[in-house]
Amino acid sequence: AQKITQTQPGMFVQEKEAVTLDCTYDTSDPSYGLFWYKQPSSGEMIFLIYQGSYDQQNATEGRYSLNFQKARKSANLVISASQLGDSAMYFCAMRGEDSSYKLIFGSGTRLLVRP
Amino acid sequence: DTGVSQNPRHKITKRGQNVTFRCDPISEHNRLYWYRQTLGQGPEFLTYFQNEAQLEKSRLLSDRFSAERPKGSFSTLEIQRTEQGDSAMYLCASIGGQANTGELFFGEGSRLTVL
Repeated sequence: AQKITQTQPGMFVQEKEAVTLDCTYDTSDPSYGLFWYKQPSSGEMIFLIYQGSYDQQNATEGRYSLNFQKARKSANLVISASQLGDSAMYFCAMRGEDSSYKLIFGSGTRLLVRP
Repeated sequence: DTGVSQNPRHKITKRGQNVTFRCDPISEHNRLYWYRQTLGQGPEFLTYFQNEAQLEKSRLLSDRFSAERPKGSFSTLEIQRTEQGDSAMYLCASIGGQANTGELFFGEGSRLTVL
């Protein structure tokens, strides 16, 4: 069975600094995808970044980068130059090999950016 | 707006009543997913459709829950004889047939409160 673990219930970061949100995963599928979503207080899940298990390079999208360490089964999200608008819940998710394309989510990390 | 649309956004009901939520996916997306999210947790998969066919149901989807997608476009999620434990955010997501990274596009959710 697939599992996503996010061990940081809450994190603080000073505005303009970088922050790393941890995510570890467990799967027996040789091919899988890892995702990060942001959920502001409005409730919508906003896709941030994707990493495929066979991708050679770590994914980057603007201020977001994914520190993918396959051997350690970790997929940490790095947010550079934090902004007040980054305050939200952040969820790590995984898609396995089954054809459903469904995502399995972790329990999330609440990030608060301090001015 | 061509995003995923969910209605109603909020629903307060008394225990024992039936409720129905509607999801309109992105128009060209053939797969539609329902998730449930309780406070402080990540979304949990409930069920998904490919076109009008319901292909997978989680064990979380008790007999009181039923989902339909009769014409392969919008979907409804009905909860019969609601219980206080059904209080949650119900999220809908969709994805197209030619998924690249496979990220799901989410709506803003329907928040259910059972008194």
